[in-house]
Amino acid sequence: EVQVVQSGAEVKKPGESLKISCKGSGYSFTNYWIGWVRQMPGKGLEWMGIIYPGDSDTRYSPSFQGQVTISADKSISTAYLQWSSLKASDTAIYFCARVCSNSYNCFDPWGQGTLVTVSS
Amino acid sequence: QSALTQPRSVSGSPGQSVTISCTGTNSDVGGYNYVSWYQQHPDKAPKLMIYDVTKRPSGVPDRFSGSKSGNTASLTISGLQAEDEADYYCCSYAGSYTVVFGGGTKLTVL
Repeated sequence: EVQVVQSGAEVKKPGESLKISCKGSGYSFTNYWIGWVRQMPGKGLEWMGIIYPGDSDTRYSPSFQGQVTISADKSISTAYLQWSSLKASDTAIYFCARVCSNSYNCFDPWGQGTLVTVSS
Repeated sequence: QSALTQPRSVSGSPGQSVTISCTGTNSDVGGYNYVSWYQQHPDKAPKLMIYDVTKRPSGVPDRFSGSKSGNTASLTISGLQAEDEADYYCCSYAGSYTVVFGGGTKLTVL
């Protein structure tokens, strides 16, 4: 079964750093892009960026460029989303999803989501 | 890169059909045949329902169909069922490896 499984919920203070993970299984991890999507409380989906674990080619939404870092460790089939200095406005659910082959906007399957709460 | 425009809400009775629109520009929806649709139930992860404008993944009922005309894509759900009540998001390729989502539409089954 193809699946992506995310790390658990996090509670952090403003200014702290954070790295959340997304582990793929049931497929060749290096041959599919992985995308990250933000959903702020009560709001819609926002595309953050994608990474190709095979060569770590990474593309960011202009809205998130410089705000987060997307990376991957193909040796353990895991992609990451990280912040160096969190803000309260980073409070959201973050989803990862595998990008379908021959596509950039087809995401399937999705992880269960990681809730990140940033509060003093 | 602005979000695609969707109606905030639509509704229909069981058995009826509803259509959700998704309007973009020549730089996204109108420029590529790469539009996908996602269903999201409360507190759940989104689920792929349609990709490449009209294609249905395995397991998605054929009551769900997609289309596109110019800069507007549409998702039609026929034979509405109670379990179809959810939020629906469109998504389009926008060139240069970037992607944009719509603002989301809440579907209420009356």
